[in-house]
Amino acid sequence: QKEVEQNSGPLSVPEGAIASLNCTYSDRGSQSFFWYRQYSGKSPELIMSIYSNGDKEDGRFTAQLNKASQYVSLLIRDSQPSDSATYLCAVNIIGTGFQKLVFGTGTRLLVSP
Amino acid sequence: GAGVSQTPSNKVTEKGKYVELRCDPISGHTALYWYRQSLGQGPEFLIYFQGTGAADDSGLPNDRFFAVRPEGSVSTLKIQRTERGDSAVYLCASSLRAKGTGELFFGEGSRLTVL
Repeated sequence: QKEVEQNSGPLSVPEGAIASLNCTYSDRGSQSFFWYRQYSGKSPELIMSIYSNGDKEDGRFTAQLNKASQYVSLLIRDSQPSDSATYLCAVNIIGTGFQKLVFGTGTRLLVSP
Repeated sequence: GAGVSQTPSNKVTEKGKYVELRCDPISGHTALYWYRQSLGQGPEFLIYFQGTGAADDSGLPNDRFFAVRPEGSVSTLKIQRTERGDSAVYLCASSLRAKGTGELFFGEGSRLTVL
């Protein structure tokens, strides 16, 4: 079982719709969870971090965490064509004493105008 | 510099050759990471430096891979006897300190192609 799993997509949504991206992880003791966005040919950039159960909102983005189900999600409201990218879920591996992130394979999002 | 700088941006080499990939982190960032990203995959951890020392090199795939950071700033990833399977984008990232928000600032990567 992979440590961090994501559906590779592509996930296609029309402009203005809500895009829902999902991620599951295997290490029940993980404490820190992140969403990175990666445009084609570019480097990943952090867009959301979440550490406790529940929702965390930042503009059009909402991260949701359910530690009991080992599940993290990212909602993008009012999706724009500029949101088209690969979204990487990352989990910090506990016990390492530093930010050793394990990434999923990423979900490719396509927002059509 | 303003961001993490990596050179070269592209490197094409022949099987069996030696390559060096350089990373210049954001000024003042003490933590430096190397990741490798193959096509269609997420970044895969290789090695982490805190200051000059390699605090965790558990992700290096074998002894052909080695990395240094002699003065606690610039780092070089060295690959000996390259193989076709080494072809990937090698990403360097830095952060202000080891523990924190998880914000790793990534460079644009060095794309390595082994023919």
